[in-house]
Amino acid sequence: GESVGLHLPTLSVQEGDNSIINCAYSNSASDYFIWYKQESGKGPQFIIDIRSNMDKRQGQRVTVLLNKTVKHLSLQIAATQPGDSAVYFCACDSGGGADGLTFGKGTHLIIQP
Amino acid sequence: GAGVSQSPRYKVAKRGQDVALRCDPISGHVSLFWYQQALGQGPEFLTYFQNEAQLDKSGLPSDRFFAERPEGSVSTLKIQRTQQEDSAVYLCASRQGSFQETQYFGPGTRLLVL
Repeated sequence: GESVGLHLPTLSVQEGDNSIINCAYSNSASDYFIWYKQESGKGPQFIIDIRSNMDKRQGQRVTVLLNKTVKHLSLQIAATQPGDSAVYFCACDSGGGADGLTFGKGTHLIIQP
Repeated sequence: GAGVSQSPRYKVAKRGQDVALRCDPISGHVSLFWYQQALGQGPEFLTYFQNEAQLDKSGLPSDRFFAERPEGSVSTLKIQRTQQEDSAVYLCASRQGSFQETQYFGPGTRLLVL
């Protein structure tokens, strides 16, 4: 069956350090991948996405890496700030034409001062 | 511009009551999605509309759940005879086009069934 999961439920980093959040997916047909940030009491906020024809994409302070061979996705956040504290979800499509996203359980990123 | 809005933000229902949750997508967005998010979990897909057509309702957990988008804009998620396991945050998302584009989420409606 299809599943999307994250390796660590909680990640604590020092302010200013870089952080890496990992995600594994099981559906080899998935070809669209997204990272969302969710703060308490709010809906998921889009961070960055990547399609299967790419292995890396960069945004402002964020980079997403995709390894389709091992079905692994990661989000790198550079120079973390207190405002980066949130739960981060990876999500992917099913690749079969269905448009609903499958989300992982989430990683809680904590920024230590 | 305005994002996705949802109402009410909080809803408390007694078991057995019917509830209706509203979603106002971003103006002009063709696609609309409903997700259910249990406490401490990621969102789970419920249903998808393209304009007024409900193209996928495979995620609706039972026939007590019903969604509509009659004019291709505002959508309503209705839950009949609510049960305690329906307690969750219900998220709406909209997307401008119809394929592999960003889904923008609303703040969600937190439903508590007593």
